[in-house]
Amino acid sequence: QLHLQESGPGLVKPSETLSLTCDVSGASISSDTHYWGWIRQPPGKGLEWIGTFHHSGSTSYNPSLESRVTISVDTSKNQFSLNLNSVTATDTAVYYCARRVTSYNWRGYPEYCFDPWGQGTLVTVSS
Amino acid sequence: QSVLTQPPSASGTPGQRVTISCSGSSPNIRDTAVHWYQQFPGTAPKLLIFNSDQRPSGVPARFSASKSGTSASLAISGLQSEDEADYYCALWDGRLNGPVFGGGTKLTVL
Repeated sequence: QLHLQESGPGLVKPSETLSLTCDVSGASISSDTHYWGWIRQPPGKGLEWIGTFHHSGSTSYNPSLESRVTISVDTSKNQFSLNLNSVTATDTAVYYCARRVTSYNWRGYPEYCFDPWGQGTLVTVSS
Repeated sequence: QSVLTQPPSASGTPGQRVTISCSGSSPNIRDTAVHWYQQFPGTAPKLLIFNSDQRPSGVPARFSASKSGTSASLAISGLQSEDEADYYCALWDGRLNGPVFGGGTKLTVL
């Protein structure tokens, strides 16, 4: 059964870099079939997509975060990471990693959603 | 960037049928599939409906969804107390190459 687990510091100082890792078990992140991603949720607020990547090196980032975000992968450890630099208090959120899955709509075009998600980890930006 | 609009709250009594709406025009819901996620307090979102009306294995049949024009809706029939959660609609924005989420609807079972 596929399981994702986020880990990393729960407290980051303003202007520093937030670094998180997602450990994947039950599937290989080197699989050509799936993409993987990061989503965050500020306390009491909605979901915000951060970025998505494929082990081949294909990545896409939310334009609102793109200048500060890097997603990388370590296939030897079957894990992927998120780096978000120059953080401010507005980056305080629960950060989730998830697998992107593909289905096909009525026109035969691919549609993408995330399933499953990791349990999430709260990162607070504060001095 | 697109916007998906959901009512911030919804409520119902046990056994009732409740619907939650999701509307959006850019990208047009008409042209793409809508997905729904269920999130209990303090837990991660869980995929509830994909491809506008498909239920993943294990999701009860009393959860259903549909799409019409620029709106989509999630319906919960035979409402149960354990359905009290936040519900998010989402779709994939091809221009963004990423998902866009609605603001979420908090469902209260009275």
